[in-house]
Amino acid sequence: SQKIEQNSEALNIQEGKTATLTCNYTNYSPAYLQWYRQDPGRGPVFLLLIRENEKEKRKERLKVTFDTTLKQSLFHITASQPADSATYLCALDMGYGGSQGNLIFGKGTKLSVKP
Amino acid sequence: NAGVMQNPRHLVRRRGQEARLRCSPMKGHSHVYWYRQLPEEGLKFMVYLQKENIIDESGMPKERFSAEFPKEGPSILRIQQVVRGDSAAYFCASSPSRGRETQYFGPGTRLLVL
Repeated sequence: SQKIEQNSEALNIQEGKTATLTCNYTNYSPAYLQWYRQDPGRGPVFLLLIRENEKEKRKERLKVTFDTTLKQSLFHITASQPADSATYLCALDMGYGGSQGNLIFGKGTKLSVKP
Repeated sequence: NAGVMQNPRHLVRRRGQEARLRCSPMKGHSHVYWYRQLPEEGLKFMVYLQKENIIDESGMPKERFSAEFPKEGPSILRIQQVVRGDSAAYFCASSPSRGRETQYFGPGTRLLVL
């Protein structure tokens, strides 16, 4: 079965630096890969979606890459701010058959941005 | 446009009781997904429903758990005869169509079984 690993449980960086989070998966490449943000006591909030035929996607200070050869996605936050501190979740949508919409989530990486 | 609503936000039950969790999807969304988040674990898919239909329940425990999404009213996740291991955060998400769409999550219901 498909498995997802996010490289670290926690990542601490200094304000202004670029945060880079890693998501690795096994088996088949998903049709879509999504990144969500989750704050304590709240539900996940969608950030970015990248398709299997896309290499890179950007949104303001966020950038996502998708390498189907390495079976890896990288999530970057540039010019990080303390308000970016949260847990970031990687999720796969296999996009076919009965699993459409059934998102498979990683455990998340807790990012802390220090002022 | 109100987001996904879940109630109650917190629910305390004693072992053996029933827990009913409600989810109202975003306006215009006809697809509902339930996920469970155990402490220190990632979100795990439980069930995917459309109005009056269960589309995929591959993540639902075989016993004690059931879900419905009636023609009128919210989607309901029911847990019968709760046990301590059912303590978790239960999230509902909705989307306007099947897969290939962003899923919008509710704030979750935190179930504590004493």
